[in-house]
Amino acid sequence: GAVVSQHPSWVICKSGTSVKIECRSLDFQATTMFWYRQFPKQSLMLMATSNEGSKATYEQGVEKDKFLINHASLTLSTLTVTSAHPEDSSFYICSARAPDREAGKLFFGSGTQLSVL
Amino acid sequence: GENVEQHPSTLSVQEGDSAVIKCTYSDSASNYFPWYKQELGKRPQLIIDIRSNVGEKKDQRIAVTLNKTAKHFSLHITETQPEDSAVYFCAASIWANSKLTFGKGITLSVRP
Repeated sequence: GAVVSQHPSWVICKSGTSVKIECRSLDFQATTMFWYRQFPKQSLMLMATSNEGSKATYEQGVEKDKFLINHASLTLSTLTVTSAHPEDSSFYICSARAPDREAGKLFFGSGTQLSVL
Repeated sequence: GENVEQHPSTLSVQEGDSAVIKCTYSDSASNYFPWYKQELGKRPQLIIDIRSNVGEKKDQRIAVTLNKTAKHFSLHITETQPEDSAVYFCAASIWANSKLTFGKGITLSVRP
C-alpha cells in the first residue's frame, strides 16, 4: 500500500505553546489530506480536509484559528496546534488518498500523541 | 450528512470461532465501505473494502458483505486467532467525495 509518514510520533509540551505535526505522502502525490483526532477508546473524528494550494476545509466545531493547516506541496501537510491547552491532548492522525494507486484508498499516518501539561 | 452506526461496542469470541461485525449507514449516496483494524497506539490499517456495485468480497479469512437496500454492511472473520484482537472500524463515503465517516469502533477480543 501507499506510505504516509507522520512526525513526530509523540510530543509533550507546556500549556500555551504551539506544536506542529507533519504528514508526508512518501511515494505518491496527495492533493488532499485529512486530519483526524482520536480520544482514547473512541472513534476517528475528522477535523479538516487539507487541500494542496488552497485553504483547508474544517468540520463543524473545529476552530480554524486553533488548528492551523498548511498544505504547501503535493506531499506535505502540516497541522499546528496553537496555544495548546490540556484539553487539546489527544491522538492526531493524518491520512491521504493515493488517487493513482490502490484505487484511491485512504492510508493513515502513524499518528501523533500530544500531551499538553 | 452520513451517519455510521456500529454495534456492538465489544465482542469476545473463542479462538477458531467466527466473528461478525455489523454497521449501518444513513446516506444512500454512499458507495464505498472500508474496514480498518487498529491496534493500541497504532495507525488504522485497511483490511478490506467494498464498493456498492458488489455484494460480497473475500480475502482469505476476511469477508465483507453489503446490503444496499437495508443500508448495512458486515465484516466476517473466520477461524479467528488471538492476533485478530484489535479495534475494528467501519466507514462509509461517497467515492467522489473523499471524506470518510467512521463508526465508533468495536473491540474484538479473541480468547486463546
